[in-house]
Amino acid sequence: EPEVTQTPSHQVTQMGQEVILRCVPISNHLYFYWYRQILGQKVEFLVSFYNNEISEKSEIFDDQFSVERPDGSNFTLKIRSTKLEDSAMYFCASILEAGTFYEQYFGPGTRLTVT
Amino acid sequence: AQSVTQLDSHVSVSEGTPVLLRCNYSSSYSPSLFWYVQHPNKGLQLLLKYTSAATLVKGINGFEAEFKKSETSFHLTKPSAHMSDAAEYFCVVSGLEGGSEKLVFGKGTKLTVNP
Repeated sequence: EPEVTQTPSHQVTQMGQEVILRCVPISNHLYFYWYRQILGQKVEFLVSFYNNEISEKSEIFDDQFSVERPDGSNFTLKIRSTKLEDSAMYFCASILEAGTFYEQYFGPGTRLTVT
Repeated sequence: AQSVTQLDSHVSVSEGTPVLLRCNYSSSYSPSLFWYVQHPNKGLQLLLKYTSAATLVKGINGFEAEFKKSETSFHLTKPSAHMSDAAEYFCVVSGLEGGSEKLVFGKGTKLTVNP
């Protein structure tokens, strides 16, 4: 069964450093998402991406964040200058088509630890 | 704005006994509702979804949920718990708020199954 993959599974970085989290969505999916979950808190929506553009972003997704689909398979989330409060589990998701009837398929997550 | 409240952060049951995980939602629109499960070190897996068809929804692994509009609830049940059901469960709402497909998660309920 096709699945969403994410690398690395765990990333440790120092405050102020740039990090890139990588995701490979399911190959024929068209819409891509990032969510994050700070320890002990809810899973929160960050951004959605379609046709090489951001289609929606949350208040969390400020200028320190960016997303890119550099080739036909990868979907990346970059944090330019990490803060302690960026420590969280980051989930990538993809969906075949738009519309709330469709299931979003999630990757296993990348645990980001900022020290 | 849409929101989801999972009434129990932790539920503990004995193997073979029924499971009830409670969820209430708030939405200005007709929502789509989902239950996702997360096993340790795994991604989020869809258990079941409600998208305005039958109000009683059957999912994988014997789980089901009933959409009750009058009570704004979408509780998850299973007649008989297995040890393998031990995981974190998320109630999720989506939809139609400005055409957004972003998912709004509850805080999660950790299910423990005792032998």
